[in-house]
Amino acid sequence: GDSVTQTEGPVTVSESESLIINCTYSATSIAYPNLFWYVRYPGEGLQLLLKVITAGQKGSSRGFEATYNKETTSFHLQKASVQESDSAVYYCALGQQGTGSKLSFGKGAKLTVSP
Amino acid sequence: NSKVIQTPRYLVKGQGQKAKMRCIPEKGHPVVFWYQQNKNNEFKFLINFQNQEVLQQIDMTEKRFSAECPSNSPCSLEIQSSEAGDSALYLCASSRTISNERLFFGHGTKLSVL
Repeated sequence: GDSVTQTEGPVTVSESESLIINCTYSATSIAYPNLFWYVRYPGEGLQLLLKVITAGQKGSSRGFEATYNKETTSFHLQKASVQESDSAVYYCALGQQGTGSKLSFGKGAKLTVSP
Repeated sequence: NSKVIQTPRYLVKGQGQKAKMRCIPEKGHPVVFWYQQNKNNEFKFLINFQNQEVLQQIDMTEKRFSAECPSNSPCSLEIQSSEAGDSALYLCASSRTISNERLFFGHGTKLSVL
């Protein structure tokens, strides 16, 4: 089936350091996968951080970036310099293009950024 | 702040009891999803709707769960006879169109089945 494997938390990084949260996917039933990073900040609901629907493209938001790599089936999340406000749980997700069908989520990585 | 409103935030039931939770999707979003996130942080898709029509659902949902999204009323998810394994965070999400995978999530209902 379709699945996502990602770095699982906790991940602790000092402020201004760089961050990478790994994500790989398996899309056996999806012809054109869409890839997402969702984030849950403390006290808030899950929200979309970034989305990429075309292989080879890069998505970015709030200083985070992720490149859809079809060859390595990866969608790693990176940030050059994290801030304390980035502390949250990050989920990689996989969906099918254009149908609004269900997403497959990773288990989430809890990021703590220390001052 | 989330505009998808889920109630209650916490729900405690005994085994065999009914458990019902509600969701008001974001205004103008006709597509609604229910997911279950268990204690291992694994997400399981349960069911989705477009307006009042069920689009997809899994076997478990067909057998022990009932869900609906009536017009002009909150969507609901009900477990007919709760089991210990149903203890989880139930997340409702809505989307503007069937082809728009950007989901807007509520805070969830945390169900504990004792």
